[in-house]
Amino acid sequence: DAGITQSPRHKVTETGTPVTLRCHQTENHRYMYWYRQDPGHGLRLIHYSYGVKDTDKGEVSDGYSVSRSKTEDFLLTLESATSSQTSVYFCAISAKGQGEGTGELFFGEGSRLTVL
Amino acid sequence: QKEVEQDPGPLSVPEGAIVSLNCTYSNSAFQYFMWYRQYSRKGPELLMYTYSSGNKEDGRFTAQVDKSSKYISLFIRDSQPSDSATYLCAMRNDYKLSFGAGTTVTVRA
Repeated sequence: DAGITQSPRHKVTETGTPVTLRCHQTENHRYMYWYRQDPGHGLRLIHYSYGVKDTDKGEVSDGYSVSRSKTEDFLLTLESATSSQTSVYFCAISAKGQGEGTGELFFGEGSRLTVL
Repeated sequence: QKEVEQDPGPLSVPEGAIVSLNCTYSNSAFQYFMWYRQYSRKGPELLMYTYSSGNKEDGRFTAQVDKSSKYISLFIRDSQPSDSATYLCAMRNDYKLSFGAGTTVTVRA
């Protein structure tokens, strides 16, 4: 299994509070991604990173920010959580970008967030 | 309209049956087609990868791509209870990856 650790795995919080999810990898892969998975929508890209301090928005980035200060860590922050952000969040990594080779993604086990 | 459409099921079959899964898409620029398998409470993992049209076989799994119809399929032969999972199709061009919503499959022993 790819060395990807997400924390926390489960979190319940209240509307308006800040939340940070952490993704840690031991594969030294350049690319890291945050997805959310919701019934009926599949996986949707929130933000991704193509190197230390290099990040870009995905299709559902509103209300989220990210940071990558080290190759191995990619943080997802919800500045002020809302109920619509209740979801399962997956971190993924890849050795190559989506335009290179298979672009295979390796996923973590997910972080289940509930915003009350 | 979603770029990738996938029937969410659920699909329940007896052990040994053939499982047939499919996705349709609207973006003709997609060139790479994948199937990911996701067990309950786990992250997805790549199962099959196909470039352009045609068939690809890997053990009990066969992936088919028909670009003219914008339609891809995954067949699982001699299905086993261990095949019970959610199967997500995914497709991309040189810069964008899109996922289907996933089909949940249960293989009954």
